[in-house]
Amino acid sequence: AQKVTQAQTEISVVEKEDVTLDCVYETRDTTYYLFWYKQPPSGELVFLIRRNSFDEQNEISGRYSWNFQKSTSSFNFTITASQVVDSAVYFCALSFYNQGGKLIFGQGTELSVKP
Amino acid sequence: KAGVTQTPRYLIKTRGQQVTLSCSPISGHRSVSWYQQTPGQGLQFLFEYFSETQRNKGNFPGRFSGRQFSNSRSEMNVSTLELGDSALYLCASSGDRSSYNEQFFGPGTRLTVL
Repeated sequence: AQKVTQAQTEISVVEKEDVTLDCVYETRDTTYYLFWYKQPPSGELVFLIRRNSFDEQNEISGRYSWNFQKSTSSFNFTITASQVVDSAVYFCALSFYNQGGKLIFGQGTELSVKP
Repeated sequence: KAGVTQTPRYLIKTRGQQVTLSCSPISGHRSVSWYQQTPGQGLQFLFEYFSETQRNKGNFPGRFSGRQFSNSRSEMNVSTLELGDSALYLCASSGDRSSYNEQFFGPGTRLTVL
């Protein structure tokens, strides 16, 4: 089965708190790609990061960081010192080498950052 | 560079009607994918077109169809609308056919079926 699970449906934090969004994926393929997208209230999905299955290096971009662990099939996303503007729905997604633009999305995690 | 545009942004139809949604990709992009987003099913892949050919198809009934023109613009058609077709329909474009490519999403068309 090819599947993405985001077990956290909703998370609410207070500004400046750190928050981690979990993503667990299932696949038997050895070549695959993982993505995170952000969907603000406007509805347009915004690309945040991608990783291929051969690159387990963690990445940090400003307040955002990602932890990719093949051993646990997880690709978690951490926001440090959250801000109100981070409030959005965040999606983790999976694609495969031979399936072109097809993205398999998780159900999304709605993050609410309160002032 | 202009982003992905989708028209119309909002649409209200009644059961049994058909509807056509339009997507203009980023200039130079040849891959266009369509997704349906509903509260119950989340984001689901409908189909992808590359250079006017359907490259990939999701698990949707034949009432859902699409096409791509030589300028890469794409249309999606839903015939015999059902209440369950009410959703946000998102279009995404990509520079080539690589699965690794970032996809750029449009603002979506919100379809309401009454």
